[in-house]
Amino acid sequence: KNQVEQSPQSLIILEGKNCTLQCNYTVSPFSNLRWYKQDTGRGPVSLTIMTFSENTKSNGRYTATLDADTKQSSLHITASQLSDSASYICVVSGAGFQKLVFGTGTRLLVSP
Amino acid sequence: EAQVTQNPRYLITVTGKKLTVTCSQNMNHEYMSWYRQDPGLGLRQIYYSMNVEVTDKGDVPEGYKVSRKEKRNFPLILESPSPNQTSLYFCASSLSQNRVGYTFGSGTRLTVV
Repeated sequence: KNQVEQSPQSLIILEGKNCTLQCNYTVSPFSNLRWYKQDTGRGPVSLTIMTFSENTKSNGRYTATLDADTKQSSLHITASQLSDSASYICVVSGAGFQKLVFGTGTRLLVSP
Repeated sequence: EAQVTQNPRYLITVTGKKLTVTCSQNMNHEYMSWYRQDPGLGLRQIYYSMNVEVTDKGDVPEGYKVSRKEKRNFPLILESPSPNQTSLYFCASSLSQNRVGYTFGSGTRLTVV
């Protein structure tokens, strides 16, 4: 079954600290993996998209990695800010699929 | 500004009263999709459309209808809403289904009493 699992479910960190969110998937064959940031009550906003041949991609303080062999991805946030408080969703697209497979997200709270 | 616009943002309705949630995009995107988001379940696809007059069911299509008569609009229709359709709904669009990022609307919070 095609699944995307994220960990941890929730995380609290102090402002200025770094953190890493994990995403494991079983989607096969694989096309691409996306990370989205979703503020409470708002629509998700794309952070990164990675295909099979890419193993790292950055967007400002956000850096995503992909290991297609182990089917794992991580999202690293550097020097966290209060505005980073949100849910982070990992989404995997399978080659030839008509739909995406969504993780349930990691809820991050950055505390002052 | 490139965006996906959903209306309304909030809606409270009664069981059985037909309603439509509108979705419009100004990016000439071919692909559009509707999702519902419930606590602990993440986003689940309701219906999607690859282009004008081409629609197909997602994971949870029961109780919903869609239409795609124009490229920019993709309304979600609940013919007879029930309380289990209380949820947060998102419309999204993309140039193509797989290769690029999706643009999501701001969401519609629907409560059916």
